[in-house]
Amino acid sequence: KQEVTQIPAALSVPEGENLVLNCSFTDSAIYNLQWFRQDPGKGLTSLLLIQSSQREQTSGRLNASLDKSSGRSTLYIAASQPGDSATYLCAVFNDYKLSFGAGTTVTVRA
Amino acid sequence: DAGVTQSPTHLIKTRGQQVTLRCSPKSGHDTVSWYQQALGQGPQFIFQYYEEEERQRGNFPDRFSGHQFPNYSSELNVNALLLGDSALYLCASSRPDRVTDTQYFGPGTRLTVL
Repeated sequence: KQEVTQIPAALSVPEGENLVLNCSFTDSAIYNLQWFRQDPGKGLTSLLLIQSSQREQTSGRLNASLDKSSGRSTLYIAASQPGDSATYLCAVFNDYKLSFGAGTTVTVRA
Repeated sequence: DAGVTQSPTHLIKTRGQQVTLRCSPKSGHDTVSWYQQALGQGPQFIFQYYEEEERQRGNFPDRFSGHQFPNYSSELNVNALLLGDSALYLCASSRPDRVTDTQYFGPGTRLTVL
């Protein structure tokens, strides 16, 4: 059974600081890994998708890396802003389903 | 182009009752998946529907059942509600033959069981 772990569970940083969010998974037989953002009480917004053959993916201030063999991914958010405050969820896809971590709740202080 | 839509937005039920949640996939998508997200946790996969059949199921009891219609919309039914069924229920859709691509999520239905 796939287990996905995200560390830390919560993070508070001053505006402008870079964010580093970690994700680990136990079964490396995945098709892809996705990072999602979730605002309180809302649905999920996909931020980045990394296929299993890729090492990293970038979108604006966001960069995600994937080391499938070691079962790890890291999401970097550069120059954080108060609008980045949200819960960030990591999910791996295999066997037709996404397996999620519990998320990292980020607070960016103005 | 409308994204994934879900109804209702919120729902309050009492223990033992039955509930039906609805989902319309994004235009051009034919696969619908349902997830349950308890407070403070990540979403858990319930099941996936493709071509009106349940293709994959997570570790949920038979009280959870679903249906997919010819227009690809889907329903999630939960019988004999328990307090522990209180959660945000999320629907996600994906494109034909592109199940490894991004799944698009709806805004969810918040179910409260009293």
